[in-house]
Amino acid sequence: DAGVTQSPTHLIKTRGQHVTLRCSPISGHKSVSWYQQVLGQGPQFIFQYYEKEERGRGNFPDRFSARQFPNYSSELNVNALLLGDSALYLCASSLVEGAETQYFGPGTRLLVL
Amino acid sequence: AQSVTQPDIHITVSEGASLELRCNYSYGATPYLFWYVQSPGQGLQLLLKYFSGDTLVQGIKGFEAEFKRSQSSFNLRKPSVHWSDAAEYFCAVEAAGNKLTFGGGTRVLVKP
Repeated sequence: DAGVTQSPTHLIKTRGQHVTLRCSPISGHKSVSWYQQVLGQGPQFIFQYYEKEERGRGNFPDRFSARQFPNYSSELNVNALLLGDSALYLCASSLVEGAETQYFGPGTRLLVL
Repeated sequence: AQSVTQPDIHITVSEGASLELRCNYSYGATPYLFWYVQSPGQGLQLLLKYFSGDTLVQGIKGFEAEFKRSQSSFNLRKPSVHWSDAAEYFCAVEAAGNKLTFGGGTRVLVKP
């Protein structure tokens, strides 16, 4: 079975632009979570979606939004990009929510200039 | 709020030597604990997890971890390190739902 896939793998944007990152979970997984990993730090939780509903949100500004589609894939949107948004964005999926192993994708590396 | 501390930012170990990575957590309830490994430019791979039961947990690649509630610790160990173990290691605790809180990571360098 394919693992978690993310697209694109790399992205370069300029300040003020908008970006959309995409994630396809492992087949059968209904929960998707997004994390931001700034260079040299551990990942930080951004959002969690389960059955197309937002179930958790981390301490990120409203410029960050996400959604989950009927096929359980997900998009992360970031508006009005700042230099500090440069990071590796990781998507993780699990069968259900709570006390479940999360499987991570390879990430999308975003560079904001 | 939950938190995870990995006191060692870098560890250098000789190939064949043993390795222990420290992890301390702060969480009010019974924690679900994880260790992930990240190779350069890669995503996170799960090494092992603790949900309940036996406090000594076996994982992949010869790793094990021991949950000590009294010390709020979940240290990762490997008896004999291979050059391919050079990577960054993250300890994490799961809070409500699927929210993982990660430590800052420990970078492991393996000397030949």
